[in-house]
Amino acid sequence: EVQLVESGGGLVKPGGSLRLSCVGSDFIFSSYTMTWVRQTPGKGLEWVSSISSGSTYISYADSVKGRFTISRENSKNSLFLQMDSLRAEDTGVYYCARDVELQVWPTHGMDVWGQGTTVSVSS
Amino acid sequence: EIVLTQSPGTLSLSPGERATLSCRASQSLSRTYFAWYQQKPGQAPRLLIYGASNRATGIPDRFSGSGSGTDFTLTISRLEPEDFAVYYCQQYVSSPYTFGQGTNLEIK
Repeated sequence: EVQLVESGGGLVKPGGSLRLSCVGSDFIFSSYTMTWVRQTPGKGLEWVSSISSGSTYISYADSVKGRFTISRENSKNSLFLQMDSLRAEDTGVYYCARDVELQVWPTHGMDVWGQGTTVSVSS
Repeated sequence: EIVLTQSPGTLSLSPGERATLSCRASQSLSRTYFAWYQQKPGQAPRLLIYGASNRATGIPDRFSGSGSGTDFTLTISRLEPEDFAVYYCQQYVSSPYTFGQGTNLEIK
């Protein structure tokens, strides 16, 4: 079964750091653009960052630029989000997602999503 | 930043009825880079439509997408009980790849 599994969420103090991971299975991970999307409590969806299949292209939301770093390790079917200088407004559920089509940039839509990992930033 | 405005904010309908959800963009979009998602409480979003009108794998044909330029529409021809959820549009024309604020489709 094609799936994505996130990990690495937790409770962290403002100014702290977390590293989220996402592992893909049963598809050719290295052929797809991957994306992180978050959902803050009681609110809608917010695109966070995307990375192309070969890491050539990367984009960030303005709200996380300079604080978050997206990366991937295709040999391990893994996607990462390094989150530094965390703020209370970064609290939410973080999803990783796969592009609906192969080898495209930017993404054309995200058809496979993980279950989400929860990040809480509080003192 | 491209702003997507969805309307209505809440839509109250009965099973069997037709639902029409709208998404208006602050600037013209290529159809290729426009999608619709469904989200139910406690679940990850589910891709319904990409490329403005292409149904994703496994999506019933009662869901259809249309539109171009700045105005896009998601139509559910006959509502089933499992269709009551929140619906989001998203654009990928330019970063940041913004979502609309969502339309809550609730049972009347």
